[in-house]
Amino acid sequence: AQTVTQSQPEMSVQEAETVTLSCTYDTSESNYYLFWYKQPPSRQMILVIRQEAYKQQNATENRFSVNFQKAAKSFSLKISDSQLGDTAMYFCAFMKYNNNDMRFGAGTRLTVKP
Amino acid sequence: EAQVTQNPRYLITVTGKKLTVTCSQNMNHEYMSWYRQDPGLGLRQIYYSMNVEVTDKGDVPEGYKVSRKEKRNFPLILESPSPNQTSLYFCASSGSNSPLHFGNGTRLTVT
Repeated sequence: AQTVTQSQPEMSVQEAETVTLSCTYDTSESNYYLFWYKQPPSRQMILVIRQEAYKQQNATENRFSVNFQKAAKSFSLKISDSQLGDTAMYFCAFMKYNNNDMRFGAGTRLTVKP
Repeated sequence: EAQVTQNPRYLITVTGKKLTVTCSQNMNHEYMSWYRQDPGLGLRQIYYSMNVEVTDKGDVPEGYKVSRKEKRNFPLILESPSPNQTSLYFCASSGSNSPLHFGNGTRLTVT
């Protein structure tokens, strides 16, 4: 079974600075997808970024980028120019190719301080 | 607007009183699933459905039932709720090799 580990239960960052959230996973699959979801206090689950394992290039979405290290099974999220609205719980998730079963980490609560 | 609609948003009930949380999606997705979110545990899958009339257990199915009679609807049923089922519940759907679309969550409290 696939497992996803987020080792930082809580983090904080000053507004406008950069923060990196870590995520590791365990799988024997070669094809899969990785995701970061954001859950603000409204408790909506919002997709932040997605990475296909067969793509070597790291995904980016505006201020959000990932560092995908397939051999190390690591998938960290970097948030640049942090904004107050980035305050949220962030979940790392894994999904096998051709299988919609998504596995989540325990989450990292990020606080952006003014 | 493409969405997953989940109701109610909040629910307080007593032990043993049957309840149903509804979930509906308008994206013609074949895959639907239910998760519960608890502090320190992330989201854990309760049940999932690959298509109409096809459902299967996730990681924490005890005490829950589901049905998938229509493609768009996937209700979660708690026949005899207990306090340990107090949690935040999410319904989700997705297309093939696509990320999950989530409903807005149901905060359930069982006293």
